[in-house]
Amino acid sequence: QVQLVQSGAEMKTPGASVKVSCKASGYTFSTYGITWVRQAPGQGLEWMGWISGYNGYTAYAQRLQDRITLTTDTPTSTAYMELRSLRSDDTAVYYCAREIGLHYDYWGQGTLVTVSS
Amino acid sequence: QTVVTQEPSLTVSPGGTVTLTCASNTGAVTTINYPSWFQQRPGQAPRPLIYSTSEKHSWTPARFSGSLLGGRAALTLSGVQPEDEAEYYCLLYYSGPWVFGGGTKLIVL
Repeated sequence: QVQLVQSGAEMKTPGASVKVSCKASGYTFSTYGITWVRQAPGQGLEWMGWISGYNGYTAYAQRLQDRITLTTDTPTSTAYMELRSLRSDDTAVYYCAREIGLHYDYWGQGTLVTVSS
Repeated sequence: QTVVTQEPSLTVSPGGTVTLTCASNTGAVTTINYPSWFQQRPGQAPRPLIYSTSEKHSWTPARFSGSLLGGRAALTLSGVQPEDEAEYYCLLYYSGPWVFGGGTKLIVL
């Protein structure tokens, strides 16, 4: 069965970077894209970016594009989201989701990233 | 800046019908925005319900349907169940980036 398993919770100080992983199983990784979405406490969902599992093409939300990098490691079927220059308002649950044909189906369990001094 | 707007909250009685909508400040929502809808209960990951305006996932209950209505994307729940109380988010595609709506809290009362 399709599964996306994300790395564990992170606690970071302002100005640091975080790298969250999303390990896929149960399907051919290169056939699908991976999208990243975050949700600040008590807030709505925010689309962060997308990466093709086939060729590594990316698309980023404009407000994050200077600080975010999405990558994949096809041999391990793992996608990564790195966010730099962390601020307190980056505190959120970060989700990865599988994408194909401009729609999303399976989601990871979420990773809480807390940014605090 | 692209803004996608949803009703902040709606209330429906069990067994009733309710329609949630999703509007874009760039103009009418069309099929090329590939509207998607997600349900989220507290403490859970979003659960996809509808994609490409009206397509259902294999797990989507039959009482959920998607459409375009008056220049907006719409999610209609017919025969609402108590377990449908949740937050609902729409998601629109803008030829590269996607943008979520702010969410609609559906109250079943």
